[in-house]
Amino acid sequence: DAMVIQNPRYQVTQFGKPVTLSCSQTLNHNVMYWYQQKSSQAPKLLFHYYDKDFNNEADTPDNFQSRRPNTSFCFLDIRSPGLGDAAMYLCATSRDREPYNEQFFGPGTRLTVL
Amino acid sequence: GQNIDQPTEMTAMEGAIVQINCTYQTSGFNGLFWYQQHAGEAPTFLSYNVLDGLEEKGRFSSFLSRSKGYSYLLLKELQMKDSASYLCAAMDSNYQLIWGAGTKLIIKP
Repeated sequence: DAMVIQNPRYQVTQFGKPVTLSCSQTLNHNVMYWYQQKSSQAPKLLFHYYDKDFNNEADTPDNFQSRRPNTSFCFLDIRSPGLGDAAMYLCATSRDREPYNEQFFGPGTRLTVL
Repeated sequence: GQNIDQPTEMTAMEGAIVQINCTYQTSGFNGLFWYQQHAGEAPTFLSYNVLDGLEEKGRFSSFLSRSKGYSYLLLKELQMKDSASYLCAAMDSNYQLIWGAGTKLIIKP
């Protein structure tokens, strides 16, 4: 089945210790997104890639970086995690950016910062 | 600014009907999405409306009024498995989704 895969599902890191979250997709979609979601809050878009074109949201902290080495893979790097970065990180894809391109989400990575 | 409003929590009985409302303000508009999110899981797509009116899909229907900046999700014949959060998201002129915080729906037997 075509899908969006995230690894790991649960990640524990220490305050200030860099961490990388990964996402892969078999849907061959052009667009990949990274969201941060805290409990009972709306998903917050951090970045998105339209093919290789990187788009950083204005309020995404510099502590967050992303890489998309090819169509299938996308990575989220948190350079120095703080306690406030503990959240669910969701990767999503869409076939294209135009309307009626629903986003398909991976299962998420729950990040705990000690 | 851009904004989505939806109730924080609703409760309904198994077998009943519930309507979850959403109002939105966006810079431009390219459609309204509803997603379902079970606790600890990723959102899954339910519906998309870009034209005024009602779209029916099985037990779930979604309505849009562009002039009022208003949508609702209607769930019929509620089942326990429908207990989840329902997120409303509007697509703006830059094709970005503006998300609501979700409505937590509690189904009672």
